[in-house]
Amino acid sequence: LAKTTQPISMDSYEGQEVNITCSHNNIATNDYITWYQQFPSQGPRFIIQGYKTKVTNEVASLFIPADRKSSTLSLPRVSLSDTAVYYCLVGDIQAGTALIFGKGTTLSVSS
Amino acid sequence: SAVISQKPSRDICQRGTSLTIQCQVDSQVTMMFWYRQQPGQSLTLIATANQGSEATYESGFVIDKFPISRPNLTFSTLTVSNMSPEDSSIYLCSVFFRGSLEQYFGPGTRLTVT
Repeated sequence: LAKTTQPISMDSYEGQEVNITCSHNNIATNDYITWYQQFPSQGPRFIIQGYKTKVTNEVASLFIPADRKSSTLSLPRVSLSDTAVYYCLVGDIQAGTALIFGKGTTLSVSS
Repeated sequence: SAVISQKPSRDICQRGTSLTIQCQVDSQVTMMFWYRQQPGQSLTLIATANQGSEATYESGFVIDKFPISRPNLTFSTLTVSNMSPEDSSIYLCSVFFRGSLEQYFGPGTRLTVT
């Protein structure tokens, strides 16, 4: 299974763009890259997923370079409510195997 | 999407007792997973519980300690047996739909063992 490495913590202010980079050097051909968000006392919540290039949805963008050995989650104009732990996960989603979680990045947004 | 509920939402238990956690999904799913999240830590996969087969446990987790039942496609239970304070954690169930690219998580059960 591909292991992921991401910063332990990041700080930001309201209104700023936040980019969280994840390293996954051993990513396999069939692996997708998925990001989850977790608030205290809640289960993780899906944010975005991609295989290559760029994916954008209503809450975030995901940038994946051609070699797929890293990815960057971009959160535009963060607010206080974006304070949470963000997990980068890599796995063969279509095979239906469970996602394996790394340590995650704790994002703290201040006013 | 999926709506997942867990019971109980939290419990305080005595050392040496057992607790059974229930996970109910609002639609049929083939793959269901159980995770543990210790205080301040990330999620750790305990086992995969597919309907019609024995649960598959990850390294460090055994059936005698964490027996799992999966009687149908919408329900599963995880029992934490002979509890010790080290079992104090949040236990989460999760499901995956084939054809979907998203794994859904329940709200978790917060267990405290005294």
